[in-house]
Amino acid sequence: ETGVTQTPRHLVMGMTNKKSLKCEQHLGHNAMYWYKQSAKKPLELMFVYSLEERVENNSVPSRFSPECPNSSHLFLHLHTLQPEDSALYLCASSTGPSSGANVLTFGAGSRLTVL
Amino acid sequence: GQNIDQPTEMTATEGAIVQINCTYQTSGFNGLFWYQQHAGEAPTFLSYNVLDGLEEKGRFSSFLSRSKGYSYLLLKELQMKDSASYLCAVKDSNYQLIWGAGTKLIIKP
Repeated sequence: ETGVTQTPRHLVMGMTNKKSLKCEQHLGHNAMYWYKQSAKKPLELMFVYSLEERVENNSVPSRFSPECPNSSHLFLHLHTLQPEDSALYLCASSTGPSSGANVLTFGAGSRLTVL
Repeated sequence: GQNIDQPTEMTATEGAIVQINCTYQTSGFNGLFWYQQHAGEAPTFLSYNVLDGLEEKGRFSSFLSRSKGYSYLLLKELQMKDSASYLCAVKDSNYQLIWGAGTKLIIKP
């Protein structure tokens, strides 16, 4: 257990479904992140929230919609996804997004398969 | 563009030593990180280098040369549990993390 919990761990959905990924951190961190991890590719940063305010949105398609209701919880709402969106979605938290040495603590990820 | 290069896969023998290299070209530099990721698990922090030289932590050491844009992770006395992917990441001048694609390390008995 890293202190960052992601649910569900596995999700299979059709292209017309709506689903959500949930992330919860128990570390008292101020920043939370969504990353996409595809096989043999670098981690892709999707969204960053600092103190519940979105500070970064890396040109992510609108079919991905983040929500951060408080500093401990982060959601990724999924709607009309494409098969190429199948990947491991990692949530992470840290003490702050901009300091040099701040370490990311990751959850174990949600493995998403889009049919 | 910004780029991190590391080998895709390496194989080593239990009890031996392995060095995983990482080279980077980034806009500025604010530190280099190594993370370990076992299959199906969360990436976990291993080391952080911001100054040139070697940082040792038990069986793992990380080296940085900023002038060469180069780092390596050295794993000694390899154990089967060291089989994992090792991710190199650099913070650029805007404190953005630039990630490599990871090196899958396979340990054989």
